[in-house]
Amino acid sequence: EAQVTQNPRYLITVTGKKLTVTCSQNMNHEYMSWYRQDPGLGLRQIYYSMNVEVTDKGDVPEGYKVSRKEKRNFPLILESPSPNQTSLYFCASTTGGGDTQYFGPGTRLTVL
Amino acid sequence: AQKITQTQPGMFVQEKEAVTLDCTYDTSDQSYGLFWYKQPSSGEMIFLIYQGSYDEQNATEGRYSLNFQKARKSANLVISASQLGDSAMYFCAMRGANRDDKIIFGKGTRLHILP
Repeated sequence: EAQVTQNPRYLITVTGKKLTVTCSQNMNHEYMSWYRQDPGLGLRQIYYSMNVEVTDKGDVPEGYKVSRKEKRNFPLILESPSPNQTSLYFCASTTGGGDTQYFGPGTRLTVL
Repeated sequence: AQKITQTQPGMFVQEKEAVTLDCTYDTSDQSYGLFWYKQPSSGEMIFLIYQGSYDEQNATEGRYSLNFQKARKSANLVISASQLGDSAMYFCAMRGANRDDKIIFGKGTRLHILP
């Protein structure tokens, strides 16, 4: 089954404790991205990747890092989480033509 | 800069009626793509429909159709014969000319279907 998986689905952590949210897709997509969703703001792109070792900043990259060492994986790293990073995070991957974007199930992060 | 505007924060519609969710966009690109997504209360994002800027016909997927009016820069989603399960948040989104371009989202419309 074609899918995007994220882990963990829920995470409560404390300020400053480094964390990683994993994202994996099994569709051999080149393009992957991370979004955060906040009430009243819709989805905002954090980082995206066009291929292995090729990443670029989205609209709200501050406080986040990503890496793309393998085509299927695109982890999101918060080196020193802060409460304003409490949000719902989505990973997504896109077909080569870019006309369909598949989303992961979301990770709800709370930073205390 | 590209921008997506959804002017309806919320809508209430009677079951079985048709629904139109508004979306206007702004871009200087000649080629672009437009998307609609559904987010039910469970939280997942579900792709509904895609329209390319050079597609001559409006996209349709089952009960969903996209009313694409290029000159007005509008891409409204039409849901025919609404069902209770259509109650959800709906997002309009746009991608630029290149498949590597960012995809930007509107702020969403929350649709409530009334029995």
